[in-house]
Amino acid sequence: ELKVEQNPLFLSMQEGKNYTIYCNYSTTSDRLYWYRQDPGKSLESLFVLLSNGAVKQEGRLMASLDTKARLSTLHITAAVHDLSATYFCAVVSGGSNYKLTFGKGTLLTVNP
Amino acid sequence: ETGVTQTPRHLVMGMTNKKSLKCEQHLGHNAMYWYKQSAKKPLELMFVYNFKEQTENNSVPSRFSPECPNSSHLFLHLHTLQPEDSALYLCASSQVSGGVTGELFFGEGSRLTVL
Repeated sequence: ELKVEQNPLFLSMQEGKNYTIYCNYSTTSDRLYWYRQDPGKSLESLFVLLSNGAVKQEGRLMASLDTKARLSTLHITAAVHDLSATYFCAVVSGGSNYKLTFGKGTLLTVNP
Repeated sequence: ETGVTQTPRHLVMGMTNKKSLKCEQHLGHNAMYWYKQSAKKPLELMFVYNFKEQTENNSVPSRFSPECPNSSHLFLHLHTLQPEDSALYLCASSQVSGGVTGELFFGEGSRLTVL
């Protein structure tokens, strides 16, 4: 059974600082997604990573995928308050290509 | 309307009630999903429909009954629920090609409270 672990689960950071959220998964997959969820809102797709070594950047967020290490990172550069949200990674299960298995999410709070 | 829309947004029901959640996608996708989001738990996949056929039932209790009349509409029929079924129920859609799903697009969710 595919397991997806994110860490940290809670992250409080100062504006202007950098930090990285990690997403590890337990079985082979070459398709990983990052989502953002604001309180009381739905999930918004941030990045789709489809191959080993894939790197995507949007504003202050950059995501990468290492399929050999079964690891994805979401790097935050010079955080601003608007980035406060919960971030989820999700991996397509090898046995079922319809099923996304989600991590527990990282609650990010950016303080002024 | 664009994207994925869910109704109702909030629902309070007793354990003996019967109610339904509705989801509609306007993206031309061929797969639809129900996910359950509870506090302090990862999102749990409940059901998957691809071209109106159910392809996944993730050991969901029979008090939850999905219905997919066409590739744009998905329902979740609820009956004799338990208080622990209180959660945010998220609908999503995606385009499946070559047997593999693309990214999922989520609706705003239906917040269910079971008294």
